[in-house]
Amino acid sequence: DTGVSQDPRHKITKRGQNVTFRCDPISEHNRLYWYRQTLGQGPEFLTYFQNEAQLEKSRLLSDRFSAERPKGSFSTLEIQRTEQGDSAMYLCASGFDLPQHFGDGTRLSIL
Amino acid sequence: DQQVKQNSPSLSVQEGRISILNCDYTNSMFDYFLWYKKYPAEGPTFLISISSIKDKNEDGRFTVFLNKSAKHLSLHIVPSQPGDSAVYFCAASPNNGNQFYFGTGTSLTVIP
Repeated sequence: DTGVSQDPRHKITKRGQNVTFRCDPISEHNRLYWYRQTLGQGPEFLTYFQNEAQLEKSRLLSDRFSAERPKGSFSTLEIQRTEQGDSAMYLCASGFDLPQHFGDGTRLSIL
Repeated sequence: DQQVKQNSPSLSVQEGRISILNCDYTNSMFDYFLWYKKYPAEGPTFLISISSIKDKNEDGRFTVFLNKSAKHLSLHIVPSQPGDSAVYFCAASPNNGNQFYFGTGTSLTVIP
């Protein structure tokens, strides 16, 4: 069973560094979402792709954040000049229609 | 602002009894609702969904009820099993699934 795969599972970096996360959705899923989750909170929507088109982007997504899905398959989420407040679990989800299925996330820790 | 609210951070239920998890929302444009279950160190797992044209959806031990006038939905689990112990999130979408808003979760403990 090939579910949504996220890499890496954990990332520790120093403040100010850039980081990039990868998400491989379930094959043929046209919808792809990125979320951020902090302790005690639910997943917080960041952005949504339908195939390669980025159709929704949260106001929470500052200009330090960028996401791509170049060929409508895998996606990357890049955070530039990381800050302490970026420490969180970053979740990717995909779906053909609805609902969306989640990966296990990438945990980002900023030193 | 929290558009989807789960006001009970935790719930304990005896095995075999009914678990009722509640969720309230503020945006009348929400038209699709889901419940997810989450175990530690794993991503959320989809449980059950309901669209705004229905008021009930059932799948095995899980039933979701939607009260649009009250902007309230609930998840019923019956009978509850120890394996149901997890954090449950409700989520809602205003636009056909392009964007989802999640509640803060309710931690369910089913006591054997």
